[in-house]
Amino acid sequence: KNEVEQSPQNLTAQEGEFITINCSYSVGISALHWLQQHPGGGIVSLFMLSSGKKKHGRLIATINIQEKHSSLHITASHPRDSAVYICAVRSRGNTGNQFYFGTGTSLTVIP
Amino acid sequence: DVKVTQSSRYLVKRTGEKVFLECVQDMDHENMFWYRQDPGLGLRLIYFSYDVKMKEKGDIPEGYSVSREKKERFSLILESASTNQTSMYLCASSLPLPFTGELFFGEGSRLTVL
Repeated sequence: KNEVEQSPQNLTAQEGEFITINCSYSVGISALHWLQQHPGGGIVSLFMLSSGKKKHGRLIATINIQEKHSSLHITASHPRDSAVYICAVRSRGNTGNQFYFGTGTSLTVIP
Repeated sequence: DVKVTQSSRYLVKRTGEKVFLECVQDMDHENMFWYRQDPGLGLRLIYFSYDVKMKEKGDIPEGYSVSREKKERFSLILESASTNQTSMYLCASSLPLPFTGELFFGEGSRLTVL
């Protein structure tokens, strides 16, 4: 049983397209994270959110706590957005130190 | 700029060798994590440490041990490397709740065991 499910697993888009990646989770959370991983390995945090919506440049993240669902949107996609996007949640458990990860969405943006 | 640094980006070891993966963070974080990442499986927690000398097993601790003698350093040890431990290893750190829970990752260490 996966605590965090992402869709789609793979996504190919033309440059300029609007992209949506979805994340559903089944545990009580203190926060949800969107992470980006470029080829070569390093993971960077894009957003941490516990309610509502956050925007950073062309990236927008939303979360619906009641429905246990989050979306990551990329507007006017660009080839440099090509990466793996990972949804992660921080549990609200005993210590709140457990993170659960989705298996990632591999995005390729074609020029 | 905050940083999590992993000692080696790429390692090639032979079956049975002892392997040390080092991770250092400069953010004074209490929490440090070791994950392994395999295609289709996502990130899986090997061990977690919430303070110096304190550790907890994650989901896949078998074949691994850890050491946290100083707050900034968390080491992952493969006592006798096996081919099924070929993987990408990622170290991360964070503050404990209720502080901001952003998770900071190192660049990863890609280990190949022959």
